[in-house]
Amino acid sequence: NFMLTQPHSVSESPGKTVIISCTRSSGSIASNYVQWYQQRPGSAPTVVVYDTNQRPSGVPDRFSGSIDSSSNSASLTISGLKTEDEADYYCQSYDSSTSWVFGGGTKLTVL
Amino acid sequence: QVTLRESGPALVKPTQTLTLTCTFSGFLLSRSGMSVNWIRQPPGKALEWLARIDWDYDKFYSTSLKTRLTISKDTSKNQVVLTMTRMDPVDTATYYCARMGTTYFDYWGQGTLVTVSS
Repeated sequence: NFMLTQPHSVSESPGKTVIISCTRSSGSIASNYVQWYQQRPGSAPTVVVYDTNQRPSGVPDRFSGSIDSSSNSASLTISGLKTEDEADYYCQSYDSSTSWVFGGGTKLTVL
Repeated sequence: QVTLRESGPALVKPTQTLTLTCTFSGFLLSRSGMSVNWIRQPPGKALEWLARIDWDYDKFYSTSLKTRLTISKDTSKNQVVLTMTRMDPVDTATYYCARMGTTYFDYWGQGTLVTVSS
């Protein structure tokens, strides 16, 4: 079994870049794809990054994903922040024993 | 156009069994690789994956909840049903169904809030 740990909240100014981390507790972060979902208040989540670093059509290239094996973590980077990016962000991954796991979520505030 | 919609009771009493239905359109759950999942979110808290049923009737359950969950599908009606037994106030949450076409949850329903209270 594994868990994904995210910072509870991050904040940054419009136009800046923010990085949200997601650390896997056991097993390699590189062993399974990582997804990132955006959830605005009162709405269902929508995917912004899938398969660790792929963007669905319609998601701006300001959103990017990566992993760092040395820290066993994934990251979501949002550049050129806009007020509309303010939302909760969840990472998600998988393994055969735990199945599909979500991180605890990070509240992004764009000041 | 892919859509999913959850339906079920808004209020259940402790110890009762919850039955939720996901009615979908725009895709075939009989198509190879397709699955429908249930995910829940308690108020103000994180998402939690619950269960999945695949196109070929394979089923997967959350390790912590597997003794309480049953997932099934009626391909002819384009529906997936989740039952959860022995409901408790901690099960109060918005319950979502979501399609997984490849490796991620690509389409979600709007969610249905279920409150567990006597």
